[in-house]
Amino acid sequence: GAVVSQHPSRVICKSGTSVKIECRSLDFQATTMFWYRQFPKQSLMLMATSNEGSKATYEQGVEKDKFLINHASLTLSTLTVTSAHPEDSSFYICSAQQIDIVSNEQFFGPGTRLTVL
Amino acid sequence: GQQLNQSPQSMFIQEGEDVSMNCTSSSIFNTWLWYKQEPGEGPVLLIALYKAGELTSNGRLTAQFGITRKDSFLNISASIPSDVGIYFCAGRRSGNTGKLIFGQGTTLQVKP
Repeated sequence: GAVVSQHPSRVICKSGTSVKIECRSLDFQATTMFWYRQFPKQSLMLMATSNEGSKATYEQGVEKDKFLINHASLTLSTLTVTSAHPEDSSFYICSAQQIDIVSNEQFFGPGTRLTVL
Repeated sequence: GQQLNQSPQSMFIQEGEDVSMNCTSSSIFNTWLWYKQEPGEGPVLLIALYKAGELTSNGRLTAQFGITRKDSFLNISASIPSDVGIYFCAGRRSGNTGKLIFGQGTTLQVKP
């Protein structure tokens, strides 16, 4: 149980285009999903917290108009990187938090490698 | 954003050796977690700790939640080649919504 998937696993795009990344909890419902960014040889940095049916909460320094987050259902959250630039190239990882259980730990997706040319 | 202080940054050990790594913080956490990340993958939860002083094992892995609530350690006994990866500690403060703060990671390499 507690499987989280991400799609696509990797994407290469041209500068100025927008890229959408999907995060799905496959076998459980998640009221909260989190989006992280990880640069090479660095730790995970939280970008935003996404709650189903409400606006995402962004961490300081993360542009909400550039990183659009939609959490339309209890099993799906999407991150859209708008007008991507080379400095947005990174490993984007989502996590989903289970509900209705004692342990509410986050389970992570496999990540999406974004390369902006 | 804030990170936990995790050490060592990297370790290169012989197969069969025991490994120890730790995380410290200047503030209190009510949950400590240890994750392992392999190249190109997301982190996988290894051990979760919820009480100060708690000592929990998962196979060859043992982790403890420090009494002061400001630190945690992870031990791996009798390391094997598949233990290779990056190990992250993560903490969650009291009263927040589940937001985790991660350590910088410990890269473990095991020589057969």
